[in-house]
Amino acid sequence: AQSVTQLDSHVSVSEGTPVLLRCNYSSSYSPSLFWYVQHPNKGLQLLLKYTSAATLVKGINGFEAEFKKSETSFHLTKPSAHMSDAAEYFCVVSHASGGSYIPTFGRGTSLIVHP
Amino acid sequence: GAGVSQSPRYKVAKRGQDVALRCDPISGHVSLFWYQQALGQGPEFLTYFQNEAQLDKSGLPSDRFFAERPEGSVSTLKIQRTQQEDSAVYLCASSWPGSGNTIYFGEGSWLTVV
Repeated sequence: AQSVTQLDSHVSVSEGTPVLLRCNYSSSYSPSLFWYVQHPNKGLQLLLKYTSAATLVKGINGFEAEFKKSETSFHLTKPSAHMSDAAEYFCVVSHASGGSYIPTFGRGTSLIVHP
Repeated sequence: GAGVSQSPRYKVAKRGQDVALRCDPISGHVSLFWYQQALGQGPEFLTYFQNEAQLDKSGLPSDRFFAERPEGSVSTLKIQRTQQEDSAVYLCASSWPGSGNTIYFGEGSWLTVV
């Protein structure tokens, strides 16, 4: 069974300060891990993904995440927050089912950015 | 098409009505997924198709929920005798084997049952 835990339901930062959104996963297999972002009333957009290549993954809009197998973590970071980063962020783990990979979502972390 | 297209974008149904939600995946995408996202929650898996075969329907919450993809492209999620707890955003996603397990989402169908 696969699961993912997002440790914070809300994260509040000031514009220009670093962002850290935490995610831990459990997986019986080598996982594929993703971060998606969802702006209000918008669809889910892929930020970045890890699929057993480099452990430090760079995504769009300056975000990156590091896969740490020993800690079963895949935290999302950004050096400097922008107002437009305010959104809901989902950590996702993929598990195999019937020849495909079924993504399982975390409950989400709401990122609030103060001016 | 360029992306996953869902319709209707917004639907208000009276309790007890049947609804049908359509998903048009990205052209050539073999896999198709349906998710349910309640307010303030993460998306929950409902069902998955590979071409026209429904390989996993373990997430469908009750026998009032039914999904089909008869020709391996467009899919329809049908909810019979809607209840208030069915109010949610229904997300469709698609992928293809070469996408590295990445799935691409539509903007969702917002269902409100009154």
